[in-house]
Amino acid sequence: DAGVTQSPTHLIKTRGQQVTLRCSPKSGHDTVSWYQQALGQGPQFIFQYYEEEERQRGNFPDRFSGHQFPNYSSELNVNALLLGDSALYLCASSLGGQGDGYTFGSGTRLTVV
Amino acid sequence: DAKTTQPTSMDCAEGRAANLPCNHSTISGNEYVYWYRQIHSQGPQYIIHGLKNNETNEMASLIITEDRKSSTLILPHATLRDTAVYYCIVNDYKLSFGAGTTVTVRA
Repeated sequence: DAGVTQSPTHLIKTRGQQVTLRCSPKSGHDTVSWYQQALGQGPQFIFQYYEEEERQRGNFPDRFSGHQFPNYSSELNVNALLLGDSALYLCASSLGGQGDGYTFGSGTRLTVV
Repeated sequence: DAKTTQPTSMDCAEGRAANLPCNHSTISGNEYVYWYRQIHSQGPQYIIHGLKNNETNEMASLIITEDRKSSTLILPHATLRDTAVYYCIVNDYKLSFGAGTTVTVRA
C-alpha cells in the first residue's frame, strides 16, 4: 500500500519564477495538508484541502495557493519565488478530522537562487 | 501557534526507557494529543495519539494526566535509530508543530 508520494524530490528555481509541487495521498485518505519546513525549524502549516476546498490556512501570503483534485491528489503553487521560500515542502494526508493519524511524504526540497 | 511546551533536547542511553514530557495547559476537551518524530531529512512519522486515556502501541506508550494539561511519551527500550526530533502536538484540524525535543540515544 503506497504511502504519500510527492514530486519532484528536489527542485531549483530562480527568484521570481513560479513552482508547482505535487502530492498523492495515501490510499483511502481524503484530506491533504501542506507544510513548509525551513532548515532547523519545525514544519509550518500552509493550508489544508478537503473535498476540493481549502478548509484551513496558516499564516502564508497569497503567493501560496493550492488545489485538490477529485482523486484527492493535490498541488501546491508558489508564485514570485523569494530566496526565503527555500525549504522542504511536506505533504500530509489523513482521513477527515480529529483522531486520524497523518501520513507524511518525504517532501520536496526547493532551492531558490 | 504551537500550543505545547517541550524541552529543547535530551539524551538517553541505548536500551533504557526514554520519557519525553510535554505541557499543553490550554488544551480543550475535544483536542487530541499527537506525537510525531522526524529523523533527519525525512518527513515526520506518526507515533501515537490519545484523548484522555493512556495509549500503547508497538512503538511507544502515551501517558496523559487526568487534567489533560500534560503528557509523557515513553519509548520503552531506546535504540540508536530512535535518535530524532520528537514533536508533541495538540490537534485542531491541523498539526501545529513547535520546535520539538531533539532526542539523542547514545550507545
